[in-house]
Amino acid sequence: DTAVSQTPKYLVTQMGNDKSIKCEQNLGHDTMYWYKQDSKKFLKIMFSYNNKELIINETVPNRFSPKSPDKAHLNLHINSLELGDSAVYFCASRNTGINSPLHFGNGTRLTVT
Amino acid sequence: DQQVKQNSPSLSVQEGRISILNCDYTNSMFDYFLWYKKYPAEGPTFLISISSIKDKNEDGRFTVFLNKSAKHLSLHIVPSQPGDSAVYFCAASAGDRGSTLGRLYFGRGTQLTVWP
Repeated sequence: DTAVSQTPKYLVTQMGNDKSIKCEQNLGHDTMYWYKQDSKKFLKIMFSYNNKELIINETVPNRFSPKSPDKAHLNLHINSLELGDSAVYFCASRNTGINSPLHFGNGTRLTVT
Repeated sequence: DQQVKQNSPSLSVQEGRISILNCDYTNSMFDYFLWYKKYPAEGPTFLISISSIKDKNEDGRFTVFLNKSAKHLSLHIVPSQPGDSAVYFCAASAGDRGSTLGRLYFGRGTQLTVWP
């Protein structure tokens, strides 16, 4: 299946731990994103990579570090997890171009206890 | 400060009738608008979009209307079907750079329930 796939689907961890979420797309897109959906249900952009180059970096704590080994993968590493990091994290991809729509993964629900 | 607002968290409509989902925005630089649909435990999927040079875009049962002066857009679904039950997100981007980068600003979504 052609898709944006992210793992794990659920992640429960304790405060202070370090965790990673992985994302892969086989749609041949050249741009990938991380969005965060918080408890109030707002979807907000965090990062974007185009061909392994960081092009969007919103105001996100530097405990969050994206890594793109190639244009089909964008991973999110989170250090020293805090309670407020609990959210659903969505990976997305698209082709560069005006008004090209985003294709989202199914999300990773992170719960920090 | 949310620039895209969906003030109705939920909407319930009978099958066969029209569903109207509303969205307001505050940023006058927004010039491209999209609607995404989201089922539980899945990611949002693109539904329909409209550029600010138009005031209407139609795709099958889905029509999006844009009122730039009011900074308001709406999604009409006619006729509504039970399979349309989902959360609908309104999103916007600003300028060619925003569209090229794919930086979207989302509302918090409206849960649509279509009952038989």
